[in-house]
Amino acid sequence: DTGVSQDPRHKITKRGQNVTFRCDPISEHNRLYWYRQTLGQGPEFLTYFQNEAQLEKSRLLSDRFSAERPKGSFSTLEIQRTEQGDSAMYLCASSAQGGRYGNTIYFGEGSWLTVV
Amino acid sequence: QKEVEQNSGPLSVPEGAIASLNCTYSDRVSQSFFWYRQYSGKSPELIMSIYSNGDKEDGRFTAQLNKASQYVSLLIRDSQPSDSATYLCAVREGGGNKLTFGTGTQLKVEL
Repeated sequence: DTGVSQDPRHKITKRGQNVTFRCDPISEHNRLYWYRQTLGQGPEFLTYFQNEAQLEKSRLLSDRFSAERPKGSFSTLEIQRTEQGDSAMYLCASSAQGGRYGNTIYFGEGSWLTVV
Repeated sequence: QKEVEQNSGPLSVPEGAIASLNCTYSDRVSQSFFWYRQYSGKSPELIMSIYSNGDKEDGRFTAQLNKASQYVSLLIRDSQPSDSATYLCAVREGGGNKLTFGTGTQLKVEL
């Protein structure tokens, strides 16, 4: 399977704990995105990387959230001091660069976070 | 103000009928438009993309775009129970970066 891979798929954590999610994009894709989706809502953009550079961050991304893509390959999303409102599915996506309209964005299977 | 608006549904259609899903967007610089299908508990899966005014057909799916009216739609012909899912409309500005999603329309295809 050469699609976008996310790990772990499910995480239950206690409020106040830190969690980290990992994303491995499609190998030839240099753009990587993180989205968050809650029940009944569409995915909300969190942040975007082109290679190792984090080019855009949403205002949704509070100081407790940090994302990295150190070598321009895999990415991690860390949430510190989790709150119940952080419970959501965290989606990673990737795309190749280029073209007038950009390229198709492909999503991974998502990482479900439940904060209790 | 939401940038991408969809009726949340549910939209119920009988098996074999045409399902029509609609989406409006507010940002006139949007140039790329996408429909994703999302089954319950799963991640979004790309169904169609459209960039130019008019219709684009792919199998049982037709996407329609009207930039003047800032409107994009998805028609599903010969609807099947397996089409029952939430359909997400997404827009992107130019050749850039992020997608902005609507809240999705839940489609139910009834036997």
